[in-house]
Amino acid sequence: DGGITQSPKYLFRKEGQNVTLSCEQNLNHDAMYWYRQDPGQGLRLIYYSQIVNDFQKGDIAEGYSVSREKKESFPLTVTSAQKNPTAFYLCASSIPPNYGYTFGSGTRLTVV
Amino acid sequence: AQTVTQSQPEMSVQEAETVTLSCTYDTSESDYYLFWYKQPPSRQMILVIRQEAYKQQNATENRFSVNFQKAAKSFSLKISDSQLGDAAMYFCAYRRGNTGTASKLTFGTGTRLQVTL
Repeated sequence: DGGITQSPKYLFRKEGQNVTLSCEQNLNHDAMYWYRQDPGQGLRLIYYSQIVNDFQKGDIAEGYSVSREKKESFPLTVTSAQKNPTAFYLCASSIPPNYGYTFGSGTRLTVV
Repeated sequence: AQTVTQSQPEMSVQEAETVTLSCTYDTSESDYYLFWYKQPPSRQMILVIRQEAYKQQNATENRFSVNFQKAAKSFSLKISDSQLGDAAMYFCAYRRGNTGTASKLTFGTGTRLQVTL
């Protein structure tokens, strides 16, 4: 079955360490997205990519980086510059706008 | 910038009853799409229903329907015959049209729906 796989489901890191969250899709979607979810704030866009080797900053890109070397993969790195990295991170992909997004099951990152 | 507002942080409904979740949005665009997503305790985001702005007819998906008022920029979700499995966070979302394949979704802050016996 086609879908989006995010791994790991739970991730713990020490403060000051970079960490990379994985997102893989086999839906043949061109566009991919990373969102951050915090309690009471809905989902906020971090980065998105329309095609391979191209990506744009979203609303809260500071302290994050991404790459898009393959159509299927869009990993997110949370750097030590991100001041409050503990959150739930959701990856998504899409086809033309009217079909909305398909989401992964998310990664819960806790920085201690 | 587009904004989406959900003014009801929490709602409660009895099983088999009907509930309406509110959503308003602000945009200067004429071509756009609106969505309702459900996020159960598993935290998987599930698309419930979508509405194209150019369509006057309100979208319906089984027990879920919307009341789309374009002039008022209102997009409410009605859940009929509520079931225990409907308990979840519900997010309203907006997306511009005619932007190619990548177009960001702007989300509201969500409404937590409880379903009681």
